[in-house]
Amino acid sequence: QSALTQPPSASGSPGQSVTISCTGTSSDVGGYNYVSWYQQHPGKAPKLMIYQVNKRPSGVPDRFSGSKSDNTASLTVSGLQAEDEADYYCSSYAGNNNWVFGTGTTVTIL
Amino acid sequence: QVQLVDSGGGVVQPGGSLRLSCATSEFSFTTCGMHWVRQAPGRGLEWVTVIWADGRHKFYADSVRGRFTISRDDSKNTLFLQMSSLRDDDTAMYYCVKERAPFDGFNIWGRGTKVTVSS
Repeated sequence: QSALTQPPSASGSPGQSVTISCTGTSSDVGGYNYVSWYQQHPGKAPKLMIYQVNKRPSGVPDRFSGSKSDNTASLTVSGLQAEDEADYYCSSYAGNNNWVFGTGTTVTIL
Repeated sequence: QVQLVDSGGGVVQPGGSLRLSCATSEFSFTTCGMHWVRQAPGRGLEWVTVIWADGRHKFYADSVRGRFTISRDDSKNTLFLQMSSLRDDDTAMYYCVKERAPFDGFNIWGRGTKVTVSS
């Protein structure tokens, strides 16, 4: 199972928006609505930010939103804040009790 | 905040074995699927294995199948990952992770336990 493809980096100024893509195949992202997104700060465990493509767990700001079109999912962070600077990973269920993660994107606040 | 406490990492020689543990007092492992996810130094996340709530169904990534075994002790509410025939590329931080629902995202993560395979 190949990793989902994400851009290595993305950036934006405070208050702006940034969108991260996550490209897979019809066997994973395109085949299931089980796409999730994780935020990871250096030296910390990942944190669930989005599940089932576009749902936010309790406590996650509504500045974070998710979507999907065909085999590509996207995470948008609006109104960028300093604490949003982190690595972001997508993940998808890939069938047959397998899960796959994205290659990761480092978001930098300019 | 719900906590998972993962432990058991260390330095092991290639070909060696190690057993990781994960425990919590805040929910029962019999009520949800539990996973191990790893992250090699400076690299991305990699799903490793899952054990269903029923404790009988277990599945593995191709990279570890036949070498790693996931299990749990329900009397102690503890999850295990038995790793054998360890290779250099098994070096990683290993996270114990709870799934939000079957096939769904991973909503609770342990702090991770570090495994280094080196001679």
